[in-house]
Amino acid sequence: DAGVIQSPRHEVTEMGQEVTLRCKPISGHNSLFWYRQTMMRGLELLIYFNNNVPIDDSGMPEDRFSAKMPNASFSTLKIQPSEPRDSAVYFCASRPVLGTEAFFGQGTRLTVV
Amino acid sequence: KNEVEQSPQNLTAQEGEFITINCSYSVGISALHWLQQHPGGGIVSLFMLSSGKKKHGRLIATINIQEKHSSLHITASHPRDSAVYICAAGGSQGNLIFGKGTKLSVKP
Repeated sequence: DAGVIQSPRHEVTEMGQEVTLRCKPISGHNSLFWYRQTMMRGLELLIYFNNNVPIDDSGMPEDRFSAKMPNASFSTLKIQPSEPRDSAVYFCASRPVLGTEAFFGQGTRLTVV
Repeated sequence: KNEVEQSPQNLTAQEGEFITINCSYSVGISALHWLQQHPGGGIVSLFMLSSGKKKHGRLIATINIQEKHSSLHITASHPRDSAVYICAAGGSQGNLIFGKGTKLSVKP
């Protein structure tokens, strides 16, 4: 398996633009997580899904952020409109079942100018 | 107070030294995770443990549930061990609460 695949790896966009980050989890994994990493706050959970259903989105910073998982093999994290403070590395991770380790994607480095 | 505290924040060691990184947590957990983040940014899960001790090569992770404390040990450290090591408390639904990480630099 190729692991968790995120795209793009790098994204530079202007403030106010819509940004869509994509994630393909490992086939057969039931849970998917979106994390954000910044120098100030470290790694933070944004939202996670079990069997394509959002379980906890309390980490989503505000309404500008939205995440979807239309099927077991694809998820998106959208920021609209983007702001400079959204600049961070966004990681997607998936896990086979509850109680197992998670596998991380390589991350998307987002820069909003 | 952070729910997951790591120490030290930064650690410099000479090749061959025994290294210990500590993690204390204040939340209830189903498991404690140790992650490694390489200079290139990728994150790898090293251990997930809920009791006792686990060993993988030169890495050893221990946890004391009563004291809410875990340690990560590296024996015979090597420059390729240089990375950020992150402790994370795992909730019952699998969500993780992360420590700020320990940046380890091993000098040859």
